[in-house]
Amino acid sequence: SQTIHQWPATLVQPVGSPLSLECTVEGTSNPNLYWYRQAAGRGLQLLFYSVGIGQISSEVPQNLSASRPQDRQFILSSKKLLLSDSGFYLCAWSVARPGEQYFGPGTRLTVT
Amino acid sequence: GENVEQHPSTLSVQEGDSAVIKCTYSDSASNYFPWYKQELGKGPQLIIDIRSNVGEKKDQRIAVTLNKTAKHFSLHITETQPEDSAVYFCAASVTGTASKLTFGTGTRLQVTL
Repeated sequence: SQTIHQWPATLVQPVGSPLSLECTVEGTSNPNLYWYRQAAGRGLQLLFYSVGIGQISSEVPQNLSASRPQDRQFILSSKKLLLSDSGFYLCAWSVARPGEQYFGPGTRLTVT
Repeated sequence: GENVEQHPSTLSVQEGDSAVIKCTYSDSASNYFPWYKQELGKGPQLIIDIRSNVGEKKDQRIAVTLNKTAKHFSLHITETQPEDSAVYFCAASVTGTASKLTFGTGTRLQVTL
């Protein structure tokens, strides 16, 4: 069966510091991968998606970037964090049945 | 782009009662409508979905209905239990290479004893 991992689970970073969040999927190949951000008490905002290695599409212009160095690995990065980057970051994957997305456990990021 | 509105934002029901959450979408090309349940501190869990060629789908105590003409869909939970308490999100998508989901703003469901 397929599983998705995200780490770290929680992170506290000062303003201006770099960021690297990692997501990996097991048990499938060539998945679509997605990064979402969820602000406290709010809905999910799609940040990036990838339909293959090296193929990244950005949905919202901001100081974040994404990379997909391997088929089942998706990384979210920032060179300098802002206070507004605080939130719950979720990775999701999709394969086979069109549209169905399955989410990871998330990373809680607090920028201080 | 797609816009999904969800109501109500909060819903409190007594155990055993039914709960209904409604969503409307704007893009008539949308053809896939999932519902997610999110418990505190966890990632959303896909609980049921419906595609545009179907009007209703049931899975035990939960059901989803779709009205393509009116562009709205609803989640129905019957015989609610305390473990149904969570935030529920609807979403809409035009399935394709990327199949991006547009989410509603969520409904916090509280099932009281």
